[in-house]
Amino acid sequence: DAKTTQPPSMDCAEGRAANLPCNHSTISGNEYVYWYRQIHSQGPQYIIHGLKNNETNEMASLIITEDRKSSTLILPHATLRDTAVYYCIVRILNTDKLIFGTGTRLQVFP
Amino acid sequence: GAVVSQHPSRVICKSGTSVKIECRSLDFQATTMFWYRQFPKQSLMLMATSNEGSKATYEQGVEKDKFLINHASLTLSTLTVTSAHPEDSSFYICSARGRTGANYGYTFGSGTRLTVV
Repeated sequence: DAKTTQPPSMDCAEGRAANLPCNHSTISGNEYVYWYRQIHSQGPQYIIHGLKNNETNEMASLIITEDRKSSTLILPHATLRDTAVYYCIVRILNTDKLIFGTGTRLQVFP
Repeated sequence: GAVVSQHPSRVICKSGTSVKIECRSLDFQATTMFWYRQFPKQSLMLMATSNEGSKATYEQGVEKDKFLINHASLTLSTLTVTSAHPEDSSFYICSARGRTGANYGYTFGSGTRLTVV
């Protein structure tokens, strides 16, 4: 199963871009990368997902390296409400399972 | 967008009793539902996967007789914690996955905080 490695915590100033890295060096060719975030005592919130190409939506951008061994989630203009734990997840091939790793605790400060 | 409702949001029960948690997909049909538990300051741990009309598949180490999962319809799955004990106190979260299109992703409920006293 592909596993992900993320830094345990990061800080970001309000209004600046938050770049959250994720390593998934054992990812297989057809495995998607998902990003979710969890604000304290709530269910995880979907952010974005991708396979090979970079993706962008109203919340964030996802940059996947050409070899697919790592990716970066970019929040272009972080706000205090973006303070949360961010999870990078590789969906297990041929299953529907999302297995959460330890995530990155992002603290956005004024 | 896809919405998953989880009920109750909080429950306190006495040791030895059973508690049922409901997970409903409100605006889409969920082909698969997932149940997670989360202890304080830890990540989500997948407990089981359920498909409508079939038995749930439990992850290693999860007692199927203690955590009963029923997925009776395409919009409802329930988790029953039987003979609850204080160590079962946790945050339980469900997730539902739709068939196609915009609902093909994974949508999570808001979670249920169970406290066993």
